[in-house]
Amino acid sequence: QVQLQQSGPGLVKPSQTLSLTCAIFGDTVSSNTAAWNWIRQSPSRGLEWLGRTYYRSKWFNEYAEFVRSRITINPDTSKNQFTLQLRSVTPEDTAVYYCVGYDSSTDWFDPWGQGTLVTVSS
Amino acid sequence: DIQMTQSPYSLSASVGDRVTITCRASQNIKKYVNWYQQKPGKVPKLLIYAASSLQSGAPSRFSGSASGADFTLAISGLQPDDFATYYCQQSYSAPYSFGQGTKVEMK
Repeated sequence: QVQLQQSGPGLVKPSQTLSLTCAIFGDTVSSNTAAWNWIRQSPSRGLEWLGRTYYRSKWFNEYAEFVRSRITINPDTSKNQFTLQLRSVTPEDTAVYYCVGYDSSTDWFDPWGQGTLVTVSS
Repeated sequence: DIQMTQSPYSLSASVGDRVTITCRASQNIKKYVNWYQQKPGKVPKLLIYAASSLQSGAPSRFSGSASGADFTLAISGLQPDDFATYYCQQSYSAPYSFGQGTKVEMK
């Protein structure tokens, strides 16, 4: 059974960079069938897919248009994890952030990390 | 990008009621729709995949259907454990998108 464990700070100052890490247990970040995603949730914006990283003979990254200029998702094969960096944050980026797996053989989001409430405030 | 328009935003119902929630896709997504249930403080839990297939372990009172661009989640015989928020999600193509959510509350 695949499990994801998130880590990272819960408070980020405006204009700074939000950084979160997601450790993978029971699968590998280099899986040829899985994709590793970041999704966030806020009362005002609901569930928003931010982007993903996946390996299919080489690494691919895809990002949502509304954050494309500010986001980077990177795999870390040495630690079997992946990371999220969101630059130049504003209070509108305050949300619960989830790392989420997605397998091409099933086409649904599973498993989910435990979620991290990130508040953007000075 | 594909938009998923979910309705209603909320509904009040009683135990034993039949409840339906609808999502409309902004373009043809075949049957690439999943339905999740979320309770406060918890992560979304998959109920239905590929529009109408019941996830293993999900109660049989949940069902999904599709008609063109419209997708429906039905709960037949609402149980106390079913009061929660429900989301549709399209898995046809990235960027993956969710509906706005439907909160099912006790009448």
